[in-house]
Amino acid sequence: ETGVTQTPRHLVMGMTNKKSLKCEQHLGHNAMYWYKQSAKKPLELMFVYSLEERVENNSVPSRFSPECPNSSHLFLHLHTLQPEDSALYLCASSQGITGQSSVVYEQYFGPGTRLTVT
Amino acid sequence: AQKITQTQPGMFVQEKEAVTLDCTYDTSDPSYGLFWYKQPSSGEMIFLIYQGSYDQQNATEGRYSLNFQKARKSANLVISASQLGDSAMYFCAMREGYTGGFKTIFGAGTRLFVKA
Repeated sequence: ETGVTQTPRHLVMGMTNKKSLKCEQHLGHNAMYWYKQSAKKPLELMFVYSLEERVENNSVPSRFSPECPNSSHLFLHLHTLQPEDSALYLCASSQGITGQSSVVYEQYFGPGTRLTVT
Repeated sequence: AQKITQTQPGMFVQEKEAVTLDCTYDTSDPSYGLFWYKQPSSGEMIFLIYQGSYDQQNATEGRYSLNFQKARKSANLVISASQLGDSAMYFCAMREGYTGGFKTIFGAGTRLFVKA
């Protein structure tokens, strides 16, 4: 299997449930990302991991908890979510992260998990 | 201030015709990258084309080309010979090389409808 995969593709959960989203990349990349895409809003970056270390936490509520056990896997643990958290959650990976060098790395996205919180 | 602006919420194009999707950006970083992504109704974001700020020539990938006008800070996507399967949301995005850290900034998107 190639590219970036995400499971599940669809998830419906109640506000008291605990669930996890999984992302796996088969591209040999070193950086992984979680994005949230709500209706009629631009993509919002949630978390960035580089070499399994979290390097960015974009003011995300604590009910979202990321985990990156290795450079190929990324999880987003969900608990006590709110209806406004319903969205498409996209995972992405890139070869590296843009920073001190002038190299700009493109991101490759997974198919997303469409989450509905009831 | 918005860093990526896509002024066309929706566009219609006749099948087999060319269409241009507009994107303007704002940055003071001399090194940056511009990306276009396609998002079909199925949800996945598909990387289409990339233009680096130092690239001398406009990027092309098959039927996609990027009309890069650096002085005007525009990076319009041109799709030639539109196909029905091109109907989707299209997002312009930017990553700033030195100052942007890890963030890719996305525009609001343009929904393209290809008519038979």
